[in-house]
Amino acid sequence: EVQLVESGGGLVQPGGSLRLSCAASGFTFSSYEMNWVRQAPGKGLEWVSYISSSGSTIYYADSVKGRFTISRDNAKNSLYLQMNSLRAEDTAVYYCARDDERDYYYYMDVWGKGTTVTVSS
Amino acid sequence: SSELTQDPAVSVALGQTVRITCQGDSLRSYYASWYQQKPGQAPVLVIYGKNNRPSGIPDRFSGSSSGNTASLTITGAQAEDEADYYCNSRDSSGNMGVYVFGTGTKVTVL
Repeated sequence: EVQLVESGGGLVQPGGSLRLSCAASGFTFSSYEMNWVRQAPGKGLEWVSYISSSGSTIYYADSVKGRFTISRDNAKNSLYLQMNSLRAEDTAVYYCARDDERDYYYYMDVWGKGTTVTVSS
Repeated sequence: SSELTQDPAVSVALGQTVRITCQGDSLRSYYASWYQQKPGQAPVLVIYGKNNRPSGIPDRFSGSSSGNTASLTITGAQAEDEADYYCNSRDSSGNMGVYVFGTGTKVTVL
């Protein structure tokens, strides 16, 4: 079964750090680009970051640029999001999502259940 | 970066047809994908590309696109289709891995 499982969320104080992980199974992880997407309480989806299959190409949303770092370990079938200098507005459920492409169609076809990050003193 | 705009909410009678629209400049360059999200659950891909449904998605879901507008149509809406729906596309800024999500539409089935 194709699956993504996030972990690492929790309560952290403003200015603190947290590292999220996403464990992939059921597919060849190293062949796929990956994304982190978040959803603040009662709000819509917000794309956070993208990483290519090899890890050589990375993009961030302006809202997290300079504070968050995406990475992956293809040998461990894992995706990561290192979050530093956390702010209250980073409070959200964080999802990892598999990126797929076919005939120049781009979409996120597999999602994890999410991990909750709460930034509060 | 690009923006994708959706109507905040729509309602549809059980068994009737509803169309959800998504507008944005990036849709002139890229097809939208559509996601259904029910309360407390992760998003689920329902439509991608010109009009493609992943395995397991009912054929009452269809997609279309024209100019800067993408649409998701539910033909014969069922009670289980009540959910939030989000469009998504790659950003047209030139960076291939940058995405943008629509503002979301809450669909109520009456």
